[in-house]
Amino acid sequence: QVQLVESGGGFVKPGGSLRLSCAASGFNFDEEYMSWIRLAPGKGPEWISYISGSGYTEVYADSVKGRFTISRDNAKNSVYLQMHSLRVEDTAVYFCARDIRLFHFWGQGTQVTVSS
Amino acid sequence: EIVLTQSPATLSVSPGERVTLSCRASQSLSTLLAWYQQKPGQAPRLLIYDASTRATGVPARFSGSGSGTEFTLTISSLQSDDFAIYYCQQVYNWPPGNFGQGTKLEIK
Repeated sequence: QVQLVESGGGFVKPGGSLRLSCAASGFNFDEEYMSWIRLAPGKGPEWISYISGSGYTEVYADSVKGRFTISRDNAKNSVYLQMHSLRVEDTAVYFCARDIRLFHFWGQGTQVTVSS
Repeated sequence: EIVLTQSPATLSVSPGERVTLSCRASQSLSTLLAWYQQKPGQAPRLLIYDASTRATGVPARFSGSGSGTEFTLTISSLQSDDFAIYYCQQVYNWPPGNFGQGTKLEIK
């Protein structure tokens, strides 16, 4: 079955950086688009980025454009989210999800807390 | 940007009751709307897409309806497992395909 496992979250000060990882299994990873979505306290989910199966296409939400970078390593069945210039408002649980637009499969999430 | 407004924000209901949740869009979505259920400590779960199609494994007590700007999610007879937060998501304008702020179902 499809499994997605995130890691790399933690506590960081404003302006800091973190790199999230998502290990995938149970499907042909290199054929699927992958997304990152975050859920902040008291808010609805927010899609923030996706990457094509080949890795050639990356798209970002305006809220993270220029600060976050999505990438993937198909040999390792993994997708990554490099986050720079983190802000307090980036505090959220970050999920990787298979596909774009409609999200049938999600990981369990990893907490990112940005605070001074 | 398309704005989704969910109502009510919180709903207190008893098991066995029928409930209807609302999602209103700021512009027409045709039927390009989905519903998700989220429980504490878990990822959201896709329940309904294309306004009325149940995702794989979703019980028949969940149904979606609507088109244009007005959508509803109905749970015909609430089970204890259904107390959660429900989000609608528009996929008409993608990206970003934004979500609503959610409706929390509480036990009365």
